[in-house]
Amino acid sequence: NAGVTQTPKFQVLKTGQSMTLQCAQDMNHEYMSWYRQDPGMGLRLIHYSVGAGITDQGEVPNGYNVSRSTTEDFPLRLLSAAPSQTSVYFCASSRGSRAFFGQGTRLTVV
Amino acid sequence: AQTVTQSQPEMSVQEAETVTLSCTYDTSESNYYLFWYKQPPSRQMILVIRQEAYKQQNATENRFSVNFQKAAKSFSLKISDSQLGDTAMYFCAFMSATDNNDMRFGAGTRLTVKP
Repeated sequence: NAGVTQTPKFQVLKTGQSMTLQCAQDMNHEYMSWYRQDPGMGLRLIHYSVGAGITDQGEVPNGYNVSRSTTEDFPLRLLSAAPSQTSVYFCASSRGSRAFFGQGTRLTVV
Repeated sequence: AQTVTQSQPEMSVQEAETVTLSCTYDTSESNYYLFWYKQPPSRQMILVIRQEAYKQQNATENRFSVNFQKAAKSFSLKISDSQLGDTAMYFCAFMSATDNNDMRFGAGTRLTVKP
């Protein structure tokens, strides 16, 4: 009963490096989303997907790419990390109004 | 665009007492969902309670209940008989019924339960 699994849990990057945050769900949900959480700002939507092969931008998409080749996986890519991308990242999958969140990734860009 | 406002950055309550966390939102939609999420130090986002806007009855889950005032666009969370394990960040969230990916969160309220 894994639900939504995010890896890694912690990551430190140097400015300009690239990396991929992984997200997998085993509930066969069509909807998947990525959020970032910053102090005093709650969670903000970065990108989302309504099904395999379909992605769209959320509230704060700049600096991030996504793809959805399978129903299960929804990776988030940082092509050239910047200090402003230091944050906690959450992946979520949902069916209807019920959202399930991963445990989050704390990313620090130095 | 929908906005969610939590005007109390921090609150504290004595163990066994009752505390109310405030949330207001702005939307032009008539059908939507409202949520309260708890985030303990583990970072996990835990759903506390869910309210469907078309239901007038306030949702309750054990010690947690809401006061949903649709006309006032207010959605407060009441925690009764507060326990030390209730210490956490609490986020109010709005989800459109027509776009389930459009989930907006408030800035959060940090609640501390004191022994």
